[in-house]
Amino acid sequence: GENVEQHPSTLSVQEGDSAVIKCTYSDSASNYFPWYKQELGKRPQLIIDIRSNVGEKKDQRIAVTLNKTAKHFSLHITETQPEDSAVYFCAASNYGQNFVFGPGTRLSVLP
Amino acid sequence: DAGVTQSPTHLIKTRGQHVTLRCSPISGHKSVSWYQQVLGQGPQFIFQYYEKEERGRGNFPDRFSARQFPNYSSELNVNALLLGDSALYLCASSSRTGANYGYTFGSGTRLTVV
Repeated sequence: GENVEQHPSTLSVQEGDSAVIKCTYSDSASNYFPWYKQELGKRPQLIIDIRSNVGEKKDQRIAVTLNKTAKHFSLHITETQPEDSAVYFCAASNYGQNFVFGPGTRLSVLP
Repeated sequence: DAGVTQSPTHLIKTRGQHVTLRCSPISGHKSVSWYQQVLGQGPQFIFQYYEKEERGRGNFPDRFSARQFPNYSSELNVNALLLGDSALYLCASSSRTGANYGYTFGSGTRLTVV
């Protein structure tokens, strides 16, 4: 079955700097890759997603890149703000079937 | 427009007991999935239902079961509770129409088994 790895497990950046979180997946049949943000005690919220027919997608300060050949995808957050502090999860799935989530990255944006 | 609603929000049960968790999807969403999130880990897939049929099952014991009703709401049942079942149980709904695969999660039910 699918296996998703995520690095780093924790990440601290200064406010205004960029943050990059990387994930790898094992199943070449996976074709949908969402990213979720989970603040303490709250639900995971979808922040951006990408499908396998696209190499990059951007939404304001957030971007995701996908390398199908290498089976890895990354989340890029530019101009980080304190409210970006949260745990971020990547996931992989095949046409929206059961998502396999990575273990999460705890991002801390320091003022 | 209401999001995904789950009940109860918190629950404390004793080992060996049974629990039923409930989920109402976003209006118009026909797919409901259940995930278990242990503290400090990513959500783990338990079940997916679409149009009242089970479409996927994760690596969980038979003590876990679920069903989806004609109004697309869903129940997750766990029998013979173990301490290790303590977790946040998340329900997610999606429309699964066209190319829209994204889940919307509910706020979860935090289950504590003592």
